[in-house]
Amino acid sequence: KNEVEQSPQNLTAQEGEFITINCSYSVGISALHWLQQHPGGGIVSLFMLSSGKKKHGRLIATINIQEKHSSLHITASHPRDSAVYICAVGEGNTPLVFGKGTRLSVIA
Amino acid sequence: NAGVTQTPKFRVLKTGQSMTLLCAQDMNHEYMYWYRQDPGMGLRLIHYSVGEGTTAKGEVPDGYNVSRLKKQNFLLGLESAAPSQTSVYFCASSYFGTPDTQYFGPGTRLTVL
Repeated sequence: KNEVEQSPQNLTAQEGEFITINCSYSVGISALHWLQQHPGGGIVSLFMLSSGKKKHGRLIATINIQEKHSSLHITASHPRDSAVYICAVGEGNTPLVFGKGTRLSVIA
Repeated sequence: NAGVTQTPKFRVLKTGQSMTLLCAQDMNHEYMYWYRQDPGMGLRLIHYSVGEGTTAKGEVPDGYNVSRLKKQNFLLGLESAAPSQTSVYFCASSYFGTPDTQYFGPGTRLTVL
């Protein structure tokens, strides 16, 4: 079974800061997902990656397949970015394995 | 489109009682999943389905049963609830499996006393 580690577990940032959240996994994968869980509990998918880099607005996700590592970057952070960010990985068509999440608080 | 809906949103049970959680999706997705989320732990897969009439065990299936009689619905049953099943339950669906975006329901907060 794949082991997924996220760092940091908790992160507090000032509004406008550049934020990086890391995800490492132990076994080769076919897909890596980044999800966001809002303070109210809802979970939405942000990105799905199998290689390279994806960008959506102020969010950028990268993956290094050789190093088994992915990063989620948030540029010009805003209090509305406060949430738990979750990394999940999958091999072939086996079900996803989830990290424990990184809790981000952005202070105005 | 309503997306993925879950019923109920909250429930309190006594130990030994039974209940069924309903997940419904209107996106014609083949794959459906039931997860539980506990403090300090990542989402853990209970059971999943790769199509109508199919089910499979996930990481933590004990104490739960599921059925997928219709493509749009995935039911999670607790036959005899235990305090260890106090959790937040999320349903999700996707058209394909792992290499596809999963859409999550709003969650059901279950407390077993």
